[in-house]
Amino acid sequence: EPEVTQTPSHQVTQMGQEVILRCVPISNHLYFYWYRQILGQKVEFLVSFYNNEISEKSEIFDDQFSVERPDGSNFTLKIRSTKLEDSAMYFCASTLGLVTDTQYFGPGTRLTVL
Amino acid sequence: AQSVTQLDSQVPVFEEAPVELRCNYSSSVSVYLFWYVQYPNQGLQLLLKYLSGSTLVKGINGFEAEFNKSQTSFHLRKPSVHISDTAEYFCAVSDHTGNQFYFGTGTSLTVIP
Repeated sequence: EPEVTQTPSHQVTQMGQEVILRCVPISNHLYFYWYRQILGQKVEFLVSFYNNEISEKSEIFDDQFSVERPDGSNFTLKIRSTKLEDSAMYFCASTLGLVTDTQYFGPGTRLTVL
Repeated sequence: AQSVTQLDSQVPVFEEAPVELRCNYSSSVSVYLFWYVQYPNQGLQLLLKYLSGSTLVKGINGFEAEFNKSQTSFHLRKPSVHISDTAEYFCAVSDHTGNQFYFGTGTSLTVIP
């Protein structure tokens, strides 16, 4: 069964550093999402992406965040200057088309900011 | 905007016993509702979803959920749980654009042998 993959599984960085989290969505999917889950808290929506542009973003997704689909397979989330409170599990998801389609989630990247 | 409340953070249950995980939502518009399961060190996997039609929705692994519009609830049930059902369960809501999903805080289900 096709799956969404994410790399790395765990990223440790110093406060103020830039990080790039990578995701490979399912190959024929068209909609892509990033979520985060701070330890012990709910999964929070960050951004949705379609047709090479952001469809929707939450208030969490400020100027420090950006997303890109640099080629036909990768979907990246960049945090320009990490803060301690960015420490969380970050999930990528993709879906074929409409919301009625199933969102497939990756296993997540655990980001630790020191 | 929508929001989701999962009333129970932890639910222990004996193997082969029934279980209900509660979910309530709030929204000013019509919504789609979802239940996801997260096994340790894995991503979220869709259990079932309510889009329209019958209010009783059946999903994978023997789970089902009932949409109750008047009570704004979407509780998840299983008549007989198995050890392998031990996981974190998340309820989620989306408006009909699907551009944003709102998740609850999750319920940790522990099945006791």
